[in-house]
Amino acid sequence: RKEVEQDPGPFNVPEGATVAFNCTYSNSASQSFFWYRQDCRKEPKLLMSVYSSGNEDGRFTAQLNRASQYISLLIRDSKLSDSATYLCVVNRANQGGKLIFGQGTELSVKP
Amino acid sequence: EAGVAQSPRYKIIEKRQSVAFWCNPISGHATLYWYQQILGQGPKLLIQFQNNGVVDDSQLPKDRFSAERLKGVDSTLKIQPAKLEDSAVYLCASRPPRGGDEQFFGPGTRLTVL
Repeated sequence: RKEVEQDPGPFNVPEGATVAFNCTYSNSASQSFFWYRQDCRKEPKLLMSVYSSGNEDGRFTAQLNRASQYISLLIRDSKLSDSATYLCVVNRANQGGKLIFGQGTELSVKP
Repeated sequence: EAGVAQSPRYKIIEKRQSVAFWCNPISGHATLYWYQQILGQGPKLLIQFQNNGVVDDSQLPKDRFSAERLKGVDSTLKIQPAKLEDSAVYLCASRPPRGGDEQFFGPGTRLTVL
């Protein structure tokens, strides 16, 4: 079993749709959680951190359920520019900040 | 502020040949990471440096991969000899000393082994 597992993609949605990505992690020692975005043939970039209380950044909402070891990302009113691969990432802080990446979920927003 | 620099951007070699990649992290970033990203997968950590010391190389195939960061600044990753399954993007990332968990990635080197 992979340490971080994400919904298999790709997700194809029309502009304006709401889309949700799910992620589970297996190591309960994981301490920090993130969503990274990776455009085609580009490097990953931090989209947002994920906190237990949930956090929102504009059209993006991230949530964490430590008991279920589950992370989610919700994108509202999706734009063409949201098309990318979304990577769920966990950090084992007791291992020097080692990041463990999920395989990514590809999103394609169509006009 | 300049980002993480990597070179070359693309490399095509034949199996059993050797190849080296170079990375220059963001100035002042003490922690440097090399990742391997195979098509359709997330990045996988190969090695982590703190200044010029290795913190974690547990997933580095040491029979063919080596990495160094002699002066604690730039770093090289070498593959010798390359195998077909080494075809991937090799990403370098760095993290500031007291800047939280965010890692900043370079553009990567896309390696094709024929």
